[in-house]
Amino acid sequence: NAGVTQTPKFRVLKTGQSMTLLCAQDMNHEYMYWYRQDPGMGLRLIHYSVGEGTTAKGEVPDGYNVSRLKKQNFLLGLESAAPSQTSVYFCASSYRVAYEQYFGPGTRLTVT
Amino acid sequence: GNSVTQMEGPVTLSEEAFLTINCTYTATGYPSLFWYVQYPGEGLQLLLKATKADDKGSNKGFEATYRKETTSFHLEKGSVQVSDSAVYFCALNPGGGADGLTFGKGTHLIIQP
Repeated sequence: NAGVTQTPKFRVLKTGQSMTLLCAQDMNHEYMYWYRQDPGMGLRLIHYSVGEGTTAKGEVPDGYNVSRLKKQNFLLGLESAAPSQTSVYFCASSYRVAYEQYFGPGTRLTVT
Repeated sequence: GNSVTQMEGPVTLSEEAFLTINCTYTATGYPSLFWYVQYPGEGLQLLLKATKADDKGSNKGFEATYRKETTSFHLEKGSVQVSDSAVYFCALNPGGGADGLTFGKGTHLIIQP
C-alpha cells in the first residue's frame, strides 16, 4: 500500500515551458487535491476533484489545469510556466469531505 | 471566509520542555480541526484531529482540544524530544463542501538537546 505518490520529485523548467505533475493514490479515495506550498504562506489549494471525471477550482487556480480521467490519478498541468509558479506542490486525497487528507511527498518545481 | 491563525516561528525549546503552539480559527458552521506535521524534505502527516466541540485529539504524546467558545485548537506536549523538530500546521475543514483544507502558515519547531 503505497498511499499517495507523486512524480516527478524535482523539476526545473524554463519560463514558457509546459509540464504535467502526476499524483496517484491506491486507497480508493474519492476526493483528491493539489496544493502549493510557499515560504510563509502555508499550503494553498489549487484545484480539487470530488470524483472521477470532475474537477473544481481552489484558491489559486490561475495558470494551472487539472484532469481526473481515472479515480486513482489526478494530474496537474502547467501550460506556460512562470517564475511565480516556483513552489513545492503537494497532492492529497481523502475518503470523504470532512475526513483527514493523506499527502504525497511533494514535487519541488523551479521555474527560471 | 475561513481562516486559521497560528503562532509564527521558529519556536526553539530545550529537550523535555513543555510545548504549546497556539491555533485559532474562523469558520462558518462546524469545522473539523487538524494538526499536521512536516519533517524536513517530506510531505505532511496527520498528527491528530477533532471533529466536534470539546473533542480531544491525541497522538505520540501530543494533544489538542477543540474549543468552540474560544475558536481554538492549541497543540500541547508535556516533554518534547529532538525528534519532534519539524513544521506544524493547524488546519480546518469547514465541512459541507469538498474544497479542501484551510491551513495556517505553519510553526517551525526546533528542539535543542
